[in-house]
Amino acid sequence: ELKVEQNPLFLSMQEGKNYTIYCNYSTTSDRLYWYRQDPGKSLESLFVLLSNGAVKQEGRLMASLDTKARLSTLHITAAVHDLSATYFCAVDEVGGADGLTFGKGTHLIIQP
Amino acid sequence: DSGVTQTPKHLITATGQRVTLRCSPRSGDLSVYWYQQSLDQGLQFLIQYYNGEERAKGNILERFSAQQFPDLHSELNLSSLELGDSALYFCASSKRPQGQETQYFGPGTRLLVL
Repeated sequence: ELKVEQNPLFLSMQEGKNYTIYCNYSTTSDRLYWYRQDPGKSLESLFVLLSNGAVKQEGRLMASLDTKARLSTLHITAAVHDLSATYFCAVDEVGGADGLTFGKGTHLIIQP
Repeated sequence: DSGVTQTPKHLITATGQRVTLRCSPRSGDLSVYWYQQSLDQGLQFLIQYYNGEERAKGNILERFSAQQFPDLHSELNLSSLELGDSALYFCASSKRPQGQETQYFGPGTRLLVL
């Protein structure tokens, strides 16, 4: 059974600081997705990572994938309050069902 | 706005009842996924349809069923409802059935079973 673990699950940080969210998964896959969810809202796609070594950046967020370590990271640079949200990573298991297996999410609060 | 629509937004019902949730995928998307989000279980994949055919099943209970119609909209039917079925139900869509692309999520239907 595919397992996806995120850490930390809760993070409170100050504006201007840098931090990294980690996503480990338990099976062979080169398909990793990051989503953002604001309270009471839907999931918004941030990044799709489809190969070992893939790195994608959008604004203050950068995501990377290491398929050998079964690890993805979401790095936040110079955090701003608007990035406060819950961030989910999800894995698409090769040869398995095509639904995504999600981590529990990282609840991020960025304080002014 | 992802382009995926879901109705209703909110649903309140009683235990033992049956409800139907509706989803319209983005224009051009053939694949529809259903997910359940609850505090206990987190986000769980329920079932996937591609171009009218069931393609993959996840943690879907036998009391739940779904279908995708010729116009590609999908319905999720929940029957013999229990308190524990209270959750946010999302529909997502994508073009292809095999993953490797973004799944776009709808706004969700919040179900409360009393």
